[in-house]
Formats: sequence, structure tokens, C-alpha cells
Amino acid sequence: SQKIEQNSEALNIQEGKTATLTCNYTNYSPAYLQWYRQDPGRGPVFLLLIRENEKEKRKERLKVTFDTTLKQSLFHITASQPADSATYLCALGGGGNKLTFGTGTQLKVEL
Amino acid sequence: DTGVSQDPRHKITKRGQNVTFRCDPISEHNRLYWYRQTLGQGPEFLTYFQNEAQLEKSRLLSDRFSAERPKGSFSTLEIQRTEQGDSAMYLCASSLEGSHGGGTQYFGPGTRLTVL
Repeated sequence: SQKIEQNSEALNIQEGKTATLTCNYTNYSPAYLQWYRQDPGRGPVFLLLIRENEKEKRKERLKVTFDTTLKQSLFHITASQPADSATYLCALGGGGNKLTFGTGTQLKVEL
Repeated sequence: DTGVSQDPRHKITKRGQNVTFRCDPISEHNRLYWYRQTLGQGPEFLTYFQNEAQLEKSRLLSDRFSAERPKGSFSTLEIQRTEQGDSAMYLCASSLEGSHGGGTQYFGPGTRLTVL
């Protein structure tokens, strides 16, 4: 069955450092992969989309890589700030545009 | 605000009662999705519409659940004879098929359902 794994433990880093979050998947050939941010009690907010034929995507302090051979995506936040503290969700998409989400990784950026 | 809106934001009901949630998508979006999210988990797909047609339903969507999008604009999700296991956040998302962004779904704030 399809499985998406994200770091189950919370990630604590110091302000100014680079946060790296991992998304691994099995039994899936996604056409694209998305990263969302979710704050407690709120809906997910779209951050970045990367397609299967793309290796890397950047947006401001965010960078996503997508390795379809390793079946892995890495999500980086450079120069992290306390305001970046949230849960980050990886989602895989394919036919019909429905998304299959991972369980999310909680990031906490400390002063 | 032109984002996805959902109503109500919170709903508390007793087991066995029926509840209905509403979602208003971004106005030009032709696709609308419903997801369910429980604590500590990612959202799980329930169903989606393209315009007024319901194109896919998850096996998570039991016979007690029904969704409609009568005019291809807003959508409703009804749960009949609610059970405690239905307690969750119900999320709505919309997207524009064929747009440059393709596949980008924009989520609403969710409706938190608590079944007592």
C-alpha cells in the first residue's frame, strides 16, 4: 500500500539555522509533490509544488528537492525564524489531483 | 477575502444527530475537495468535484456521508447519524484545473466537529 513518511519527532533548531525536513514515500509514482504549512487549528497553507521532472524548486527562503529514484523530497528553510514554527506537511499528487498527505513534521525554531 | 471559506468553524453535536457543513471555494476554481484530519495525522481525502460532478469518493466516505455541489459553486458535506469516530477537522480545498499552477489546492480554515 502507499506510504508517506515524514520525521515523526519534532525538529527543534536555533534561529538563523537551516531546517531540513524529509519526506519519503513507497508504492507511489506521484506526478508532483507539494509542501504545506499548518498552524494549530487552521487549514494547511500551500508553500511549494515540484513536478516529477523537476529536481529543485526555490521560493524566497524555501527550497524543495525531489528525487524520484530515491522516492524522497527534502524541504529546506534557510535563515529560520521563530515565525517558521509550525507543522509542515508533504503531499503527493497524481490522477484526479487528489492529494495524499504525510503525517507532518512539527518544526520549532528557538531564539 | 477571496480565499476558501467554511461554515461553521466549530460544531458540537450528540451522537446520532445529522450535521451539515458548507464550503465556498475560490470563485474561479472548478475543482472542490473534501478532506478529514484527525489529531496528529495529515488530511485524508474524502471526495472531490469538478464543477457539479462528483468524480471520486474515498472508501472512507461511508453511506452516512453525502456531499453535493449543486451549481458548481459552493458545496455541502452532510453526515447522518453521527458517531464519535466522526470527530475530526473537516477541510475543504479548491483548485483550478489547467491553470499554470496545476494541482495547487488551497484550503479553507476547516470545520472542527465534536461528537459527544
